[in-house]
Amino acid sequence: DAGVIQSPRHEVTEMGQEVTLRCKPISGHNSLFWYRQTMMRGLELLIYFNNNVPIDDSGMPEDRFSAKMPNASFSTLKIQPSEPRDSAVYFCASSFGENGELFFGEGSRLTVL
Amino acid sequence: GENVEQHPSTLSVQEGDSAVIKCTYSDSASNYFPWYKQELGKRPQLIIDIRSNVGEKKDQRIAVTLNKTAKHFSLHITETQPEDSAVYFCAASTGSTDKLIFGTGTRLQVFP
Repeated sequence: DAGVIQSPRHEVTEMGQEVTLRCKPISGHNSLFWYRQTMMRGLELLIYFNNNVPIDDSGMPEDRFSAKMPNASFSTLKIQPSEPRDSAVYFCASSFGENGELFFGEGSRLTVL
Repeated sequence: GENVEQHPSTLSVQEGDSAVIKCTYSDSASNYFPWYKQELGKRPQLIIDIRSNVGEKKDQRIAVTLNKTAKHFSLHITETQPEDSAVYFCAASTGSTDKLIFGTGTRLQVFP
């Protein structure tokens, strides 16, 4: 398996633009997580899905952020409109079973100017 | 809410010395405690984990200890090498869910 695949790896956009980050979890994994990493706040859990259903979105900063998982092999994290403070590395991760090992993608580095 | 505190934030050691990183957690229902290593510009990767039914686990030069009563757990790296230099994150599960809360990270530097 190629592991968790994220795209794009890098995104530079201007304030106010819509940003869509994509993730393909490891085949067979039933949980998917979106994390945001910044120097100031470390690794923050934004939202996680189990069997494609959102379980906990308490970490989503505000209404500008939304996430979907239409099927077991694809998820998106959307920011609309984007702001400079959204600049961060966004990691997608997947796991299997209860407290299974979390496998991270390589991350999407977002810069909002 | 759930919280994981990690200390120290930075740690510098000489090659061959030991390094210890400590974490405390707030949710008494937490039962899974993994440690991740993140090299510069790379993704976090699991290096060792421990579950609440054991107090200590060892894998070659790394070991983790867990004290459920005090709600803290520690990572021990012996005979450190320059390639151990990275940021290390502890994490704790939240009750019966698969949600992991991460500590703020420890930047370990091993000097030759």
